[in-house]
Amino acid sequence: DAGITQSPRHKVTETGTPVTLRCHQTENHRYMYWYRQDPGHGLRLIHYSYGVKDTDKGEVSDGYSVSRSKTEDFLLTLESATSSQTSVYFCAIRSPGTGTRGNSPLHFGNGTRLTVT
Amino acid sequence: GNSVTQMEGPVTLSEEAFLTINCTYTATGYPSLFWYVQYPGEGLQLLLKATKADDKGSNKGFEATYRKETTSFHLEKGSVQVSDSAVYFCALIGSGTYKYIFGTGTRLKVLA
Repeated sequence: DAGITQSPRHKVTETGTPVTLRCHQTENHRYMYWYRQDPGHGLRLIHYSYGVKDTDKGEVSDGYSVSRSKTEDFLLTLESATSSQTSVYFCAIRSPGTGTRGNSPLHFGNGTRLTVT
Repeated sequence: GNSVTQMEGPVTLSEEAFLTINCTYTATGYPSLFWYVQYPGEGLQLLLKATKADDKGSNKGFEATYRKETTSFHLEKGSVQVSDSAVYFCALIGSGTYKYIFGTGTRLKVLA
């Protein structure tokens, strides 16, 4: 299994509070991703990173920010949590692959269940 | 933009039945295609993949063939088991991008 640890695994917070989720990898892979999973929507990309301090937005990035100061850590921050951000958040890493860059699959952590009350 | 469409679930089957979960995609160029499986309380696990037209991915009795002419990547298994009960996601990554696009997932329930 890919060495991906997400923390915390569960969190309940109040509307308007800041929240930071952490993803830690032991694989030294360059690409890291944050997705959210919601019923009826599948997985939707929030942000991804292609290196230390290099990040880009996904399809649902509003209300979220990320930081990557070390290869192994990718942080997702909700600056002011809202009820619409209640979700399960997954971190993923992309293995380097052996051929063209499209071949490599993602490997996922076990997720963080966030509830905003 | 790129997109993935999966059949609506839940799919309920008896043990040893044949399984098909439909997946079609929209993408420019030559995407790579994936199937993932998610068991309760866990993250997604790669089930199989295919990287070019007519490739067949297979794993644990599951198969899917990359059909460019029909832009499809349907998941099949000849005889399902109760332990196959899970949510299955179809996904793609397009040429020239690092963004992986997922379908909405199909829940499979297999009854003994």
